[in-house]
Amino acid sequence: DQQVKQNSPSLSVQEGRISILNCDYTNSMFDYFLWYKKYPAEGPTFLISISSIKDKNEDGRFTVFLNKGAKHLSLHIVPSQPGDSAVYFCAPHSSNTGKLIFGQGTTLQVKP
Amino acid sequence: EPEVTQTPSHQVTQMGQEVILRCVPISNHLYFYWYRQILGQKVEFLVSFYNNEISEKSEIFDDQFSVERPDGSNFTLKIRSTKLEDSAMYFCASSESGRDQPQHFGDGTRLSIL
Repeated sequence: DQQVKQNSPSLSVQEGRISILNCDYTNSMFDYFLWYKKYPAEGPTFLISISSIKDKNEDGRFTVFLNKGAKHLSLHIVPSQPGDSAVYFCAPHSSNTGKLIFGQGTTLQVKP
Repeated sequence: EPEVTQTPSHQVTQMGQEVILRCVPISNHLYFYWYRQILGQKVEFLVSFYNNEISEKSEIFDDQFSVERPDGSNFTLKIRSTKLEDSAMYFCASSESGRDQPQHFGDGTRLSIL
Protein backbone atom coordinates (compact mmCIF):
# COMPACT_ATOMS: atom_id res chain seq x y z
CA ASP A 1 0.00 0.00 0.00
CA GLN A 2 1.81 3.11 -1.24
CA GLN A 3 -0.90 5.67 -0.55
CA VAL A 4 1.19 7.37 2.15
CA LYS A 5 4.93 7.86 1.93
CA GLN A 6 7.41 9.27 4.37
CA ASN A 7 10.52 9.29 2.25
CA SER A 8 13.03 10.07 4.99
CA PRO A 9 13.55 7.06 7.24
CA SER A 10 15.53 9.16 9.69
CA LEU A 11 16.34 12.74 10.63
CA SER A 12 18.89 14.11 13.06
CA VAL A 13 18.78 17.70 14.38
CA GLN A 14 20.43 19.71 17.15
CA GLU A 15 18.47 20.66 20.21
CA GLY A 16 16.83 24.05 19.76
CA ARG A 17 16.74 23.85 15.97
CA ILE A 18 13.74 23.15 13.77
CA SER A 19 12.74 19.60 12.81
CA ILE A 20 10.77 19.19 9.59
CA LEU A 21 9.14 15.86 8.85
CA ASN A 22 7.50 15.29 5.51
CA CYS A 23 4.70 13.10 4.21
CA ASP A 24 3.32 12.60 0.70
CA TYR A 25 0.04 10.95 -0.21
CA THR A 26 -1.69 9.89 -3.39
CA ASN A 27 -5.33 9.45 -2.37
CA SER A 28 -7.26 12.67 -3.08
CA MET A 29 -10.12 11.39 -0.87
CA PHE A 30 -8.06 11.90 2.28
CA ASP A 31 -9.51 14.83 4.20
CA TYR A 32 -8.21 14.44 7.74
CA PHE A 33 -4.52 14.12 8.45
CA LEU A 34 -2.95 13.10 11.74
CA TRP A 35 0.57 12.91 13.09
CA TYR A 36 1.51 10.36 15.71
CA LYS A 37 4.66 9.99 17.77
CA LYS A 38 5.84 6.57 18.89
CA TYR A 39 8.40 5.61 21.50
CA PRO A 40 9.77 2.04 21.64
CA ALA A 41 7.47 -0.43 23.40
CA GLU A 42 4.60 2.06 23.38
CA GLY A 43 1.65 2.65 21.11
CA PRO A 44 1.36 5.63 18.75
CA THR A 45 0.52 8.83 20.62
CA PHE A 46 -1.62 11.42 18.88
CA LEU A 47 0.28 14.66 18.31
CA ILE A 48 -1.60 17.02 16.01
CA SER A 49 -4.09 16.91 13.15
CA ILE A 50 -5.33 19.02 10.28
CA SER A 51 -8.51 18.99 8.27
CA SER A 52 -8.37 19.37 4.50
CA ILE A 53 -10.22 22.69 4.75
CA LYS A 54 -7.16 24.22 6.42
CA ASP A 55 -3.57 24.62 5.33
CA LYS A 56 -2.00 25.13 8.72
CA ASN A 57 -2.62 24.05 12.29
CA GLU A 58 -0.47 25.01 15.23
CA ASP A 59 -0.24 23.59 18.74
CA GLY A 60 2.59 24.89 20.85
CA ARG A 61 5.91 23.81 19.36
CA PHE A 62 4.17 21.72 16.69
CA THR A 63 2.80 23.01 13.40
CA VAL A 64 1.37 20.97 10.57
CA PHE A 65 1.20 22.34 7.04
CA LEU A 66 -1.00 20.88 4.32
CA ASN A 67 -0.50 21.48 0.61
CA LYS A 68 -3.45 19.76 -1.04
CA GLY A 69 -2.33 20.63 -4.53
CA ALA A 70 0.96 18.86 -4.01
CA LYS A 71 -0.60 16.17 -1.80
CA HIS A 72 2.03 16.93 0.78
CA LEU A 73 2.03 17.65 4.47
CA SER A 74 4.79 18.48 6.87
CA LEU A 75 5.25 18.62 10.61
CA HIS A 76 7.45 21.35 12.06
CA ILE A 77 8.80 21.09 15.57
CA VAL A 78 10.46 24.20 16.91
CA PRO A 79 12.45 24.34 19.06
CA SER A 80 13.31 20.66 19.00
CA GLN A 81 14.03 18.97 22.32
CA PRO A 82 15.80 15.68 23.12
CA GLY A 83 12.50 14.30 24.42
CA ASP A 84 11.11 14.67 20.88
CA SER A 85 13.35 11.81 19.76
CA ALA A 86 10.88 9.17 18.54
CA VAL A 87 9.35 7.70 15.40
CA TYR A 88 6.83 10.01 13.74
CA PHE A 89 4.00 8.70 11.58
CA CYS A 90 1.60 10.56 9.35
CA ALA A 91 -1.76 8.84 9.09
CA PRO A 92 -4.55 10.30 7.02
CA HIS A 93 -8.05 9.04 6.43
CA SER A 94 -10.99 9.94 4.24
CA SER A 95 -14.35 11.10 5.57
CA ASN A 96 -16.17 7.98 4.40
CA THR A 97 -13.97 5.74 6.52
CA GLY A 98 -12.27 6.02 9.87
CA LYS A 99 -9.48 3.75 8.72
CA LEU A 100 -6.08 5.38 9.20
CA ILE A 101 -3.46 4.73 6.53
CA PHE A 102 -0.01 4.95 8.11
CA GLY A 103 3.22 6.02 6.51
CA GLN A 104 6.32 3.98 7.28
CA GLY A 105 7.54 6.52 9.82
CA THR A 106 10.51 8.81 10.25
CA THR A 107 12.87 8.34 13.18
CA LEU A 108 13.79 11.71 14.65
CA GLN A 109 16.88 12.07 16.80
CA VAL A 110 17.37 15.37 18.61
CA LYS A 111 20.92 15.74 19.87
CA PRO A 112 21.62 17.75 23.04
CA GLU B 1 -5.49 11.58 31.10
CA PRO B 2 -7.73 8.67 30.06
CA GLU B 3 -5.96 5.98 28.10
CA VAL B 4 -6.55 2.79 26.16
CA THR B 5 -5.24 -0.26 27.99
CA GLN B 6 -4.33 -3.58 26.42
CA THR B 7 -3.64 -6.98 27.93
CA PRO B 8 -1.52 -8.99 27.85
CA SER B 9 1.55 -7.01 26.82
CA HIS B 10 3.09 -10.17 25.35
CA GLN B 11 1.36 -13.37 24.27
CA VAL B 12 3.19 -16.49 23.13
CA THR B 13 1.02 -19.13 21.46
CA GLN B 14 1.50 -22.34 19.54
CA MET B 15 0.51 -22.27 15.88
CA GLY B 16 -3.07 -23.44 15.43
CA GLN B 17 -4.18 -22.28 18.86
CA GLU B 18 -6.80 -19.66 19.54
CA VAL B 19 -5.78 -16.36 21.06
CA ILE B 20 -7.80 -13.49 22.50
CA LEU B 21 -6.33 -10.01 22.80
CA ARG B 22 -8.07 -7.66 25.16
CA CYS B 23 -8.55 -3.92 25.17
CA VAL B 24 -10.29 -1.41 27.39
CA PRO B 25 -11.02 1.68 25.28
CA ILE B 26 -11.45 5.17 26.70
CA SER B 27 -14.79 5.20 28.47
CA ASN B 28 -16.73 7.83 26.50
CA HIS B 29 -15.46 6.68 23.11
CA LEU B 30 -17.84 5.09 20.66
CA TYR B 31 -15.57 3.84 17.86
CA PHE B 32 -13.07 1.05 18.31
CA TYR B 33 -10.28 -0.23 16.10
CA TRP B 34 -7.63 -2.89 15.79
CA TYR B 35 -4.39 -2.37 13.91
CA ARG B 36 -1.30 -4.48 13.66
CA GLN B 37 2.36 -3.92 12.85
CA ILE B 38 4.47 -6.78 11.61
CA LEU B 39 8.13 -6.26 12.48
CA GLY B 40 9.73 -3.87 10.00
CA GLN B 41 6.46 -3.05 8.27
CA LYS B 42 3.84 -0.30 8.43
CA VAL B 43 1.04 -0.11 10.95
CA GLU B 44 -1.96 -1.55 9.10
CA PHE B 45 -5.68 -1.36 9.75
CA LEU B 46 -7.59 -4.53 10.60
CA VAL B 47 -11.10 -3.59 11.65
CA SER B 48 -13.34 -0.84 12.98
CA PHE B 49 -16.33 -1.39 15.26
CA TYR B 50 -19.25 0.86 16.12
CA ASN B 51 -22.65 0.31 17.68
CA ASN B 52 -21.88 -3.35 18.31
CA GLU B 53 -21.04 -4.23 14.78
CA ILE B 54 -18.13 -4.15 12.38
CA SER B 55 -18.20 -0.97 10.31
CA GLU B 56 -15.19 -1.74 8.15
CA LYS B 57 -12.59 -4.47 7.81
CA SER B 58 -9.46 -4.97 5.76
CA GLU B 59 -8.49 -7.90 3.54
CA ILE B 60 -6.34 -9.18 6.40
CA PHE B 61 -9.39 -9.57 8.62
CA ASP B 62 -10.56 -12.91 7.29
CA ASP B 63 -12.76 -15.60 8.86
CA GLN B 64 -10.03 -16.46 11.35
CA PHE B 65 -10.49 -13.08 13.02
CA SER B 66 -13.41 -11.82 15.06
CA VAL B 67 -14.08 -8.90 17.37
CA GLU B 68 -16.46 -8.53 20.23
CA ARG B 69 -17.53 -6.03 22.83
CA PRO B 70 -18.72 -8.48 25.48
CA ASP B 71 -19.60 -5.83 28.05
CA GLY B 72 -19.57 -2.06 28.42
CA SER B 73 -15.84 -1.76 28.79
CA ASN B 74 -13.91 -4.49 26.96
CA PHE B 75 -13.17 -4.86 23.27
CA THR B 76 -11.55 -8.10 22.15
CA LEU B 77 -9.83 -9.47 19.07
CA LYS B 78 -9.91 -13.24 18.63
CA ILE B 79 -7.77 -15.21 16.22
CA ARG B 80 -9.24 -18.69 15.91
CA SER B 81 -6.37 -20.72 14.54
CA THR B 82 -3.13 -18.77 14.64
CA LYS B 83 -0.53 -18.91 11.89
CA LEU B 84 3.14 -17.99 12.00
CA GLU B 85 2.41 -14.88 9.94
CA ASP B 86 0.05 -13.60 12.65
CA SER B 87 3.10 -12.72 14.73
CA ALA B 88 2.96 -8.95 15.14
CA MET B 89 2.23 -6.06 17.49
CA TYR B 90 -1.52 -5.61 17.77
CA PHE B 91 -2.79 -2.16 18.69
CA CYS B 92 -6.25 -1.27 19.89
CA ALA B 93 -7.51 2.28 19.38
CA SER B 94 -10.65 4.22 20.17
CA SER B 95 -12.14 7.58 19.21
CA GLU B 96 -15.09 9.71 20.25
CA SER B 97 -16.49 9.72 16.75
CA GLY B 98 -15.53 8.13 13.47
CA ARG B 99 -14.80 11.38 11.70
CA ASP B 100 -12.37 14.18 12.36
CA GLN B 101 -11.50 12.93 15.81
CA PRO B 102 -8.12 11.45 16.65
CA GLN B 103 -7.81 7.78 17.44
CA HIS B 104 -6.04 7.04 20.71
CA PHE B 105 -3.92 3.92 20.85
CA GLY B 106 -2.99 1.45 23.53
CA ASP B 107 0.57 0.24 24.01
CA GLY B 108 -0.10 -2.94 22.10
CA THR B 109 0.13 -6.69 22.58
CA ARG B 110 3.12 -8.44 21.11
CA LEU B 111 1.84 -11.73 19.70
CA SER B 112 4.46 -14.40 19.05
CA ILE B 113 3.36 -17.58 17.25
CA LEU B 114 5.66 -20.58 17.65
